[in-house]
Amino acid sequence: AQSVTQLGSHVSVSEGALVLLRCNYSSSVPPYLFWYVQYPNQGLQLLLKYTTGATLVKGINGFEAEFKKSETSFHLTKPSAHMSDAAEYFCAVRPSANAGGTSYGKLTFGQGTILTVHP
Amino acid sequence: EAEVAQSPRYKITEKSQAVAFWCDPISGHATLYWYRQILGQGPELLVQFQDESVVDDSQLPKDRFSAERLKGVDSTLKIQPAELGDSAMYLCASSLGLAGANTGELFFGEGSRLTVL
Repeated sequence: AQSVTQLGSHVSVSEGALVLLRCNYSSSVPPYLFWYVQYPNQGLQLLLKYTTGATLVKGINGFEAEFKKSETSFHLTKPSAHMSDAAEYFCAVRPSANAGGTSYGKLTFGQGTILTVHP
Repeated sequence: EAEVAQSPRYKITEKSQAVAFWCDPISGHATLYWYRQILGQGPELLVQFQDESVVDDSQLPKDRFSAERLKGVDSTLKIQPAELGDSAMYLCASSLGLAGANTGELFFGEGSRLTVL
């Protein structure tokens, strides 16, 4: 069974400061990893994903994340926060294609981290 | 740009009433998912379809929830009777397929927010 833990339900930063949102996963085989963003009363939008290859992945809006297998982590970062980054962020995991079985498509989400950006 | 369409966006109902949500996935997407997101929590999978077949409904409360995708395109999620604890955002998502070249991206609709009074 897979699980995702997001450390910190709320993160507050100043505009221009570094954003770091933490995500650790538990999976029996290396999974695919995702970060989604959700604005109030809206659906989820994909920020970035790791499947195979380069462990540092870049996404939209200046975000990036690094897959660290030894630490089972996939932390999300952005060098300089903007006011428009204020939203809720979800880390998610799903079995890779090698995992097989009917659970291949199932995304398991963390509890979410609300990012607040102060002027 | 193709989107996942959901309706209604907002629904207020009284407990014990029936409620239904509709989802139209991106054209050509064989896999469709219904997720429930309770306020302050991450989305949880309720049911997953591959074409018209249910692949996973292990977390669907089958005594009151039902889901169908009769022609393998759009889908309906029904709750009868609604309970106070069903208040949540119901999100529909779609993806190209279970396996193959698809590396896993799910495309989400804007959700249907249910309030049960």
